Amino acid sequence: EVQLLESGGGLVQPGGSLRLSCAASGFTFTDHAMSWVRQSPGKGLEWVSGISATGANIYYAESVKGRFTISRDNSKNTLYLQMDSPRAEDTAVYHCATSNAGRVYACDIWGQGTKVTVSS
Amino acid sequence: EIVLTQSPGTLSLSPGERATLSCRASQSVSNNFLAWYQHKPGQTPRLFIFGASHRATDFPDRFSGSGSGTDFTLTISRLEPEDFAVYYCQQYGSAPYTFGQGTKLEIK
Repeated sequence: EVQLLESGGGLVQPGGSLRLSCAASGFTFTDHAMSWVRQSPGKGLEWVSGISATGANIYYAESVKGRFTISRDNSKNTLYLQMDSPRAEDTAVYHCATSNAGRVYACDIWGQGTKVTVSS
Repeated sequence: EIVLTQSPGTLSLSPGERATLSCRASQSVSNNFLAWYQHKPGQTPRLFIFGASHRATDFPDRFSGSGSGTDFTLTISRLEPEDFAVYYCQQYGSAPYTFGQGTKLEIK
């Protein structure tokens, strides 16, 4: 069964740091680009960041560029999102996502998400 | 960055009616790599249209996508009760791979 399982969410103070993880199983992780997508309370979906299958290509939304860092460990089938200097507006449920149908950076498969609250 | 603008923000219709949702891009979407997602409360979003007009095989054929370049449309020919949800478009042709703000399809 194809599965994405996020972890690492919680309460973080503005200006602090937090690292999210996404453990992948049921598919060949090393063949797939991955994305982080978030949904803030009462708002829509926002694509946050993406990383190619090898990790050679990395992309960010303007809203997080310079503060968040995406990475992956293909030996552990795990995707990461390092959140530095988070702001209140980064409060959201963060999902990792991928496509198992060759639609690179489309989101056919989603994890259930991990909730991040940025507050003092 | 490509900005996707969805309209209307909310669409109130009755079962059996036809729904037309719009997604307009601020610049041309590369290769028409435009996807539509259905999002219901408590569930993860579900991709059901890709490449602007290709429907996922396990999704009802009352759903259809059309358009190219900067103007895209999702049509639901005859609404069923289970179709009432929030719908998002996403372009996956050029980074950053942005979503529209969503259209809430609600029961009238």
